[in-house]
Amino acid sequence: EIVLTQSPATLSLSPGERATLSCWASQSVSSYLAWYQQKTGQPPRLLIYDASNRATGIPDRFSGSGSGTDFTLTISSLEPEDFAVYYCQQRIDSPTFGQGTKLEI
Amino acid sequence: EVQLLQSGGGLVQPGGSLRLSCVASGFTLRTYAMYWVRQIPGKGLQYVSGMSISGNSYYADAVKGRFTISRDNLMNTLYLHMNNLRAEDTALYYCAKRRDASSNLWGHFDYWGQGILVTVSS
Repeated sequence: EIVLTQSPATLSLSPGERATLSCWASQSVSSYLAWYQQKTGQPPRLLIYDASNRATGIPDRFSGSGSGTDFTLTISSLEPEDFAVYYCQQRIDSPTFGQGTKLEI
Repeated sequence: EVQLLQSGGGLVQPGGSLRLSCVASGFTLRTYAMYWVRQIPGKGLQYVSGMSISGNSYYADAVKGRFTISRDNLMNTLYLHMNNLRAEDTALYYCAKRRDASSNLWGHFDYWGQGILVTVSS
């Protein structure tokens, strides 16, 4: 099983600031990594697929980068609605998720 | 508009059975790989099972031999049949759709159901 480790566990920032979230894979997942946003009481929402492609309807302040084992989700300027939990997920093998990063004000 | 509407959760005793349903609208279910993912409230996400376009199925080790994924193409519905339930199966269960119409089973998930709670307790 491919283990995904996210860092930090909690990130405290303010609206307007830049957020950088990391995801490390225990072995290479090529570019087959996605990022999801989850708000309380809602299902996850796909933000980025295959490392750097924004999903339909996702604002361009969200961007993804990386390949192999190291990946980054960047939110260029935080909006109030961006404060949530973020998960990474790989699909090169049986899908696994990271443990999540909570982005809080 | 793509929608996934789930039903079938509830409280069940250890060793009991339950069937979850996921009715799809806005797309043809059999043309996309579909999945079940669960989440213990307040915790992370765990892949449970998946079915490819061709009907091949996959299960996480934790549920293998106890859970069965199936679909009804006429009803455009995905199912998860859960037998011999354990306390550790207690979670919110989501059905999810693969983002692209690939024959490969492993994908990213672009649409999710609303989630349905399964509680296994005596």
